[in-house]
Amino acid sequence: SAVISQKPSRDICQRGTSLTIQCQVDSQVTMMFWYRQQPGQSLTLIATANQGSEATYESGFVIDKFPISRPNLTFSTLTVSNMSPEDSSIYLCSVGGDRVYGYTFGSGTRLTVV
Amino acid sequence: DAKTTQPPSMDCAEGRAANLPCNHSTISGNEYVYWYRQIHSQGPQYIIHGLKNNETNEMASLIITEDRKSSTLTLPHATLRDTAVYYCIVRAAQGAQKLVFGQGTRLTINP
Repeated sequence: SAVISQKPSRDICQRGTSLTIQCQVDSQVTMMFWYRQQPGQSLTLIATANQGSEATYESGFVIDKFPISRPNLTFSTLTVSNMSPEDSSIYLCSVGGDRVYGYTFGSGTRLTVV
Repeated sequence: DAKTTQPPSMDCAEGRAANLPCNHSTISGNEYVYWYRQIHSQGPQYIIHGLKNNETNEMASLIITEDRKSSTLTLPHATLRDTAVYYCIVRAAQGAQKLVFGQGTRLTINP
């Protein structure tokens, strides 16, 4: 299965600022997925990122708040813009679809907005 | 919305079998049942998946009922390191489709 390196692992940010999270995969993948996990909650899909096209956002998430880049088949970034304390969550990237190993997840970025 | 229903929490004694149920009464014929777990502060980890036959790997066993409306994940000899939230997910096998997570079952293994 793919190996994902996600950075940063955690950060504490001031409200009103932006944070860019990076996800690097050790193999080429068609789709990458970005999730948010609020404290004590399950994972919620933010968007699906395809290389060479605009990301597809889930209901309740917009590009202005969570812009995503997908410059090639092994890399993606998620930016959390104009942050507020409500954005404090764990953000995870994921790749997969392989029928044997399913999906692989990054280790997550724990974001605290103060 | 998630297409599965799981109990919010379960307890199991260390060394015993942990059996985690999942209901997926609206599952389609081309959808697989996947199980993942999330140990505290880590990304979800793939455990096992199946279509209609029982499956077993080094981590767990999966039993899917004949009508495919429910399944049970079994950890045969639970250890303290198996304490985690376990997610049952259904999705079609074709293509790299998104995973929709429900609330999962918080399994606590007690010494």
